Amino acid sequence: AQSVTQPDIHITVSEGASLELRCNYSYGATPYLFWYVQSPGQGLQLLLKYFSGDTLVQGIKGFEAEFKRSQSSFNLRKPSVHWSDAAEYFCAVARQGTASKLTFGTGTRLQVTL
Amino acid sequence: DAGVTQSPTHLIKTRGQQVTLRCSPKSGHDTVSWYQQALGQGPQFIFQYYEEEERQRGNFPDRFSGHQFPNYSSELNVNALLLGDSALYLCASSSAPGTGGSYEQFFGPGTRLTVL
Repeated sequence: AQSVTQPDIHITVSEGASLELRCNYSYGATPYLFWYVQSPGQGLQLLLKYFSGDTLVQGIKGFEAEFKRSQSSFNLRKPSVHWSDAAEYFCAVARQGTASKLTFGTGTRLQVTL
Repeated sequence: DAGVTQSPTHLIKTRGQQVTLRCSPKSGHDTVSWYQQALGQGPQFIFQYYEEEERQRGNFPDRFSGHQFPNYSSELNVNALLLGDSALYLCASSSAPGTGGSYEQFFGPGTRLTVL
């Protein structure tokens, strides 16, 4: 069965510092990969997605992620974090050819200190 | 564009009761998926509706059922509520790739269900 691991439950960074959130997946084949962000009391907003092609994908709000097939990873990065980036971040996978069933990791809570 | 809307925002029920949650998809979307997000967890897939039929189902008991209407809106019903059903219920909509859609799901704000 497919699974997603986000090893960091909680991360604290200073505003202006760089950020990397880790995501590893277990899947029979290369899945579709997603990063979502959830602010308190809100639904999920898609930051970026990887389907195929260039393994470095750019998203909204200055985020990027790199797909590494050999490591089964899809880590999220941002060069300079803003206080408004404080939220819960979820990595998710879906079978290629469909995104009807997303499998999510348990999330990483990002705290930003001023 | 109204995006995905869900009602109600919050709901409090007691054990054994039944509940109905509602979702209106984003304009132009014809597929609705439901997820359960327990506190401190990632969302878990419940089921998906397309063309008024359940197309895929996650590992949830039959107490969880749904419906999709001709206007693509959807309901999630949960019978015989348990304390463990307390969670944020998220609805997501998408359009089938064959109809010009993409594989992206758009999420609503969710309904917070508390079972006492």
